[in-house]
Amino acid sequence: QSALTQPASVSGSPGQSITISCTGASSDFGVYNSVSWYQQHPGKAPKLMIYDVSNRPSGVSNRFSGSKSGNTASLTISGLQAEDEADYHCSSFTGSSTLVVFGGGTKLTVL
Amino acid sequence: EVQLLESGGDLIQPGGSLRLSCVASGFTFSSFGMNWLRQAPGKGLEWVSFISNSGGSTYYADSVRGRFTISRDNFKNTVYLQMSSLRVEDTAVYYCAKRLSTVIAMGRGASDIWGQGTMVTVSS
Repeated sequence: QSALTQPASVSGSPGQSITISCTGASSDFGVYNSVSWYQQHPGKAPKLMIYDVSNRPSGVSNRFSGSKSGNTASLTISGLQAEDEADYHCSSFTGSSTLVVFGGGTKLTVL
Repeated sequence: EVQLLESGGDLIQPGGSLRLSCVASGFTFSSFGMNWLRQAPGKGLEWVSFISNSGGSTYYADSVRGRFTISRDNFKNTVYLQMSSLRVEDTAVYYCAKRLSTVIAMGRGASDIWGQGTMVTVSS
């Protein structure tokens, strides 16, 4: 069982916006704002989309945004495109001996 | 091109040992911490272990602590994962991944470069 909780699936139509939540205990987030989001297409390695809650690595579309409130982090994808269909994983740096915890992943379907 | 290439995955019996390797290229390997992560078939990602850029600090998930050992050779641009007392539940694709930044406070826990993965199957 994963430490962080994500919905198993979400869906949206092209052009719409969707939000994926990621909920955990206070200890899962520690005192850090170090939540990351990864996109993973079938059979491929994960790709970093968001780090430190809301920062995008170079090359990631600004259609992807992140936020956090309390013990829930969120990934929002605006202007959905067919290529956004993938699994999305959240993770958090805990600062404890188990450095990083993940959610179970969310399958995004673009209708 | 920045690249990570894992190797060493295999079919192994429960209780056995295996060493995974990950060769890095295209960046200053000795400047970055490195992670091993895994993904069981049809499941989510699981962080396994981290080693600092110098190799002086290592961390492990509770599920592997005492059985797995992470190490690195900065002269060979390679990070290793020595796995022993393997269990059926260790079956997964194992990825090595580069820490996002050399700045401690930036991108804690985030990995920006991943290898293609190597499959470890533990079964009798």
